[in-house]
Amino acid sequence: GAGVSQTPSNKVTEKGKYVELRCDPISGHTALYWYRQSLGQGPEFLIYFQGTGAADDSGLPNDRFFAVRPEGSVSTLKIQRTERGDSAVYLCASSISWGSSYNEQFFGPGTRLTVL
Amino acid sequence: GQNIDQPTEMTATEGAIVQINCTYQTSGFNGLFWYQQHAGEAPTFLSYNVLDGLEEKGRFSSFLSRSKGYSYLLLKELQMKDSASYLCAVRTNDYKLSFGAGTTVTVRA
Repeated sequence: GAGVSQTPSNKVTEKGKYVELRCDPISGHTALYWYRQSLGQGPEFLIYFQGTGAADDSGLPNDRFFAVRPEGSVSTLKIQRTERGDSAVYLCASSISWGSSYNEQFFGPGTRLTVL
Repeated sequence: GQNIDQPTEMTATEGAIVQINCTYQTSGFNGLFWYQQHAGEAPTFLSYNVLDGLEEKGRFSSFLSRSKGYSYLLLKELQMKDSASYLCAVRTNDYKLSFGAGTTVTVRA
């Protein structure tokens, strides 16, 4: 079936604006993860969901960042009052479940966010 | 915090072998993953180790020593398309992945 999809692929916004980034996981995957990747760095964990609930949001940098997954499938990462330091590629990944011994995460192509 | 170290860059010749080392110090360990990431693309899964030893998958092999906090990814018979960043990631007991900064491998003709 289809892989993880993310929209938009690119987002340019101005400092102080609000943005929403969308992730469509692989059908049937109950676990969904958000990461942020800056140039020359590996992905940095932000938050993950098991079903509809945020199981761990310890990676969110501050309260300007928020994510939801209301029906246990599509997720939206929301960033308020964007700052230039928020510029990065935001990656979404999904896996069959959280907590199984072998739990490969499948990544989407990412959304490149640029804050001017 | 988690500490995962890997070299920044490596260069090798087409047809050769390259070994990418990864050392880690993490709060708990529940598996080590290697991902390949081409520029501007998503990371794609290469290998998974949870027990000590070597896992072989075609031209790629991965080794793990839990007591040493050490893994390596071995790429054999290098091809131009193997030019990419290779990410070492440790899954901790809370099932989160912590990634290293990645090793950029350049394959030259």
